[in-house]
Amino acid sequence: DAEITQSPRHKITETGRQVTLACHQTWNHNNMFWYRQDLGHGLRLIHYSYGVQDTNKGEVSDGYSVSRSNTEDLPLTLESAASSQTSVYFCASRQDLNTEAFFGQGTRLTVV
Amino acid sequence: AQTVTQSQPEMSVQEAETVTLSCTYDTSESDYYLFWYKQPPSRQMILVIRQEAYKQQNATENRFSVNFQKAAKSFSLKISDSQLGDAAMYFCAYRSWNNAGNMLTFGGGTRLMVKP
Repeated sequence: DAEITQSPRHKITETGRQVTLACHQTWNHNNMFWYRQDLGHGLRLIHYSYGVQDTNKGEVSDGYSVSRSNTEDLPLTLESAASSQTSVYFCASRQDLNTEAFFGQGTRLTVV
Repeated sequence: AQTVTQSQPEMSVQEAETVTLSCTYDTSESDYYLFWYKQPPSRQMILVIRQEAYKQQNATENRFSVNFQKAAKSFSLKISDSQLGDAAMYFCAYRSWNNAGNMLTFGGGTRLMVKP
């Protein structure tokens, strides 16, 4: 079955380190998204992509970057991790406007 | 920008009874989608129900139904015959109709507890 997977599921890193969270989907969806989930805020959009070589900033993009070199992957990079980036991160993908979004299992990131 | 508000951080319901979760949103658009997602302890985001704003009929999915009041910008979720497996975080979400607003905007969530 097609799916969307995130890795790692859990990560602890130190302040100032560069961290990359992986997202891989096998549906060949054009649209991919990264959200972070914090208590009381629901999920907030970090970055999104409508296709290969396309990336866009979301609501809370400061300190994060993404790249889209192929359809299947949208890695999220924290250039210099900060304690405020401790959160649960979700990747999602969707084929087009009229279809539902599918979410990965989430990555719990702790910055110490 | 659109905003979504869930005013109930926590709700509880007795097993087999009915509970309603509230959601309000703010938008200047006339066409859009509204969703309810369920997030159990596994963290998986599961789509429960979806409503297109142009449809007057309220969406239903088995024990789950919505009360969509477009003029009031209200989108509540009713869960009938509550089951222990319904215990989870529930998120209301908004998505624009057009391509420029392709992403979901979420409310802060409501934690639903189901008492046996």
